[in-house]
Amino acid sequence: AQSVTQLDSQVPVFEEAPVELRCNYSSSVSVYLFWYVQYPNQGLQLLLKYLSGSTLVESINGFEAEFNKSQTSFHLRKPSVHISDTAEYFCAVRGPFGNEKLTFGTGTRLTIIP
Amino acid sequence: DTGVSQDPRHKITKRGQNVTFRCDPISEHNRLYWYRQTLGQGPEFLTYFQNEAQLEKSRLLSDRFSAERPKGSFSTLEIQRTEQGDSAMYLCASSYDWTYEQYFGPGTRLTVT
Repeated sequence: AQSVTQLDSQVPVFEEAPVELRCNYSSSVSVYLFWYVQYPNQGLQLLLKYLSGSTLVESINGFEAEFNKSQTSFHLRKPSVHISDTAEYFCAVRGPFGNEKLTFGTGTRLTIIP
Repeated sequence: DTGVSQDPRHKITKRGQNVTFRCDPISEHNRLYWYRQTLGQGPEFLTYFQNEAQLEKSRLLSDRFSAERPKGSFSTLEIQRTEQGDSAMYLCASSYDWTYEQYFGPGTRLTVT
């Protein structure tokens, strides 16, 4: 069985400040990790993913996440946030072939303070 | 490529009625997934298809729920004898193959009164 824990349900951050959204997972098998973002009144969009290779993955809008197998974490970071980053962020884990359903965390609501 | 589409976007129904939702995946995606999201929670897996074959069903999917994907294209999710606890956002996602990421549709918000 797999599980995902997002430790912070809400994170308020001042504009242009750095942010880290925490995600820890539990799994007995190898996993693939994802961050999805849900902007207000919109559907889920893939932000970035770790499938294999480099443990540091980046998105096109300045977010990055690092897969840490020993700490079973996949924290999301951005060095300088913008108002447009206001959204709910979901961490998700997927197992290997035959166990490909996504298991999501409960989400972190990121609020940017002007 | 128009993305995953879902219909209707909103549905209000009375308890005990049957409802059916439709999902059209991205063309050429052979995997199709259904999730349910309640307020303040992340999406929870319900079931998925590879082409027309339903490969896995969650324990969340009671006997009142049925999903189909005839001909391996669009999919329908039917809920019979709806209950207030069925009120949620029902999300559909598709992927090209199991190794690829899942792309989500906008969801169908169900309200059972």
